[in-house]
Amino acid sequence: QKEVEQDPGPLSVPEGAIVSLNCTYSNSAFQYFMWYRQYSRKGPELLMYTYSSGNKEDGRFTAQVDKSSKYISLFIRDSQPSDSATYLCAMITNAGKSTFGDGTTLTVKP
Amino acid sequence: EAGVAQSPRYKIIEKRQSVAFWCNPISGHATLYWYQQILGQGPKLLIQFQNNGVVDDSQLPKDRFSAERLKGVDSTLKIQPAKLEDSAVYLCASSLIQGSGNTIYFGEGSWLTVV
Repeated sequence: QKEVEQDPGPLSVPEGAIVSLNCTYSNSAFQYFMWYRQYSRKGPELLMYTYSSGNKEDGRFTAQVDKSSKYISLFIRDSQPSDSATYLCAMITNAGKSTFGDGTTLTVKP
Repeated sequence: EAGVAQSPRYKIIEKRQSVAFWCNPISGHATLYWYQQILGQGPKLLIQFQNNGVVDDSQLPKDRFSAERLKGVDSTLKIQPAKLEDSAVYLCASSLIQGSGNTIYFGEGSWLTVV
């Protein structure tokens, strides 16, 4: 069993929809949680970073962490075609060990 | 602030040949990572440096992969001899220090095709 499981997708939504992307994890040592966006043929770009349970909002993006359930989510409101990309969740321990999910590919149709 | 620089961006080699990738991290970042990302998968850590010392190389196939970070700045990842299954993108990343939630910043990647 992988330490980090990410909803595989692919996901296709109409423009303006609310998108929910999800990851679960099994290692309680993970303390820091990140979401990256990766466009085709590009490196991952950091979108959101959080370290505590609860919600963190940045524009149209909201990151949610539930440490008790070992579950994290990224919500995208008013999705745009430019949001079409692969989204990666990532988790880091206090010792600096990083583990990534396998990504969810999102397509937002105009 | 300049990002993580990598070269070459694309490389095609035959199996059993060798290849080297270069990385220059963000200025001042002590921690440098090399990840391998196979198509359809997330990045997998190959090796992590703190300054010029190796912190984690547990997933590095040491019979064919090697990496160094001289003087604690630039780094080189080498594959020799390459196998077909090494076809992937090799991502270099850096963070200010390891642990303590310091975020990881990626370069654009070096895309390797082994034929």
